[in-house]
Amino acid sequence: KQEVTQIPAALSVPEGENLVLNCSFTDSAIYNLQWFRQDPGKGLTSLLLIQSSQREQTSGRLNASLDKSSGRSTLYIAASQPGDSATYLCAVRPRRGSTLGRLYFGRGTQLTVWP
Amino acid sequence: EAGVAQSPRYKIIEKRQSVAFWCNPISGHATLYWYQQILGQGPKLLIQFQNNGVVDDSQLPKDRFSAERLKGVDSTLKIQPAKLEDSAVYLCASSLDSVARGAGELFFGEGSRLTVL
Repeated sequence: KQEVTQIPAALSVPEGENLVLNCSFTDSAIYNLQWFRQDPGKGLTSLLLIQSSQREQTSGRLNASLDKSSGRSTLYIAASQPGDSATYLCAVRPRRGSTLGRLYFGRGTQLTVWP
Repeated sequence: EAGVAQSPRYKIIEKRQSVAFWCNPISGHATLYWYQQILGQGPKLLIQFQNNGVVDDSQLPKDRFSAERLKGVDSTLKIQPAKLEDSAVYLCASSLDSVARGAGELFFGEGSRLTVL
């Protein structure tokens, strides 16, 4: 069974810092990996989707990398802002088995960026 | 483009009562998902539809939970009778691609927060 772990569980930093959030997964047979942002009391907003054949994806100040062989992904946030404060979740979609369509989520990293 | 719509946003009920949640996916999205998110945890898949057929309901507590997707568009998730441990946010998501293609990006609604007293 696929297990997804996110480290750290919480992070508090001053504005302007560059950040790295980590995600690891136990089964490297994945279709893709997706990073989400969740604000308190809200649903999930998709940030980046990396297909298994890709190494990284970029959107604005966000960059996500994928190393499938080692079962790791990192989300890099450049020049953090207070508006980046939220919980960041990663999820993987398995490539095989009866759970092809299911996303497996980590517990998330709760980020606080203070002015 | 309109996003995934869910209602109600909040619901408070007593244990053993019933509740229903509604979801309208993004237009044209074939695949619809219901996830349960308990406080402090990542979402867990309850059921997945492709058009109006069930693809995966292996984690749905079928003694109390039911879901349907009539005409392959809107979906409802029902809980009857509710238990205290059902307190959670129920998230609906949709994706354009079919399960077989496996590459679709998921888009989530705002969620329906259920409190069972």
